[in-house]
Amino acid sequence: KQEVTQIPAALSVPEGENLVLNCSFTDSAIYNLQWFRQDPGKGLTSLLLIQSSQREQTSGRLNASLDKSSGRSTLYIAASQPGDSATYLCAVRQGGKLIFGQGTELSVKP
Amino acid sequence: GAVVSQHPSRVICKSGTSVKIECRSLDFQATTMFWYRQFPKQSLMLMATSNEGSKATYEQGVEKDKFLINHASLTLSTLTVTSAHPEDSSFYICSALKTDSYTFGSGTRLTVV
Repeated sequence: KQEVTQIPAALSVPEGENLVLNCSFTDSAIYNLQWFRQDPGKGLTSLLLIQSSQREQTSGRLNASLDKSSGRSTLYIAASQPGDSATYLCAVRQGGKLIFGQGTELSVKP
Repeated sequence: GAVVSQHPSRVICKSGTSVKIECRSLDFQATTMFWYRQFPKQSLMLMATSNEGSKATYEQGVEKDKFLINHASLTLSTLTVTSAHPEDSSFYICSALKTDSYTFGSGTRLTVV
């Protein structure tokens, strides 16, 4: 059974700092991996999608990597801003379903 | 881009009543939609997969008679929480699959009093 774990559960950083969020999964037979952002009481916004054959994807200050063989993905946020404060969720697609990690709650202090 | 609209965003209902939540894909057709439930500070739990024109597929432990799903068109899926009780209070989110990416609705906060 696929299990997705995110570390840390919460992270607080000062504005301007670069940071890395981690996601690991137990079964490497995934179709793709997607990173989402969730603001309190809101739905999910897709940030980056990495196909199983890809190693990384970039969008603006965000860079996501995927090492399928080791079951790991990272989300790198450069020059963090207070507006980046949110919960970040990773999810793997397997068997037509998305399986989510528990999320990392990020707080960027001005 | 793909947009999924979910209504209502917030609903309060009395115990024993039923509540319907709508999920619409606005600019694309979605043969498959998904319904999730999220408890505070926890991740999303898949409840069921909604297939247009056929019965929904429910995850283990989800009562299909309690959570009725209808996917009557390629752009609309509905979740009805029947005879709601306080333990059904939660955040419900739908999503639709377009090509390889999942797009999510804004969620519905259900409070049963």
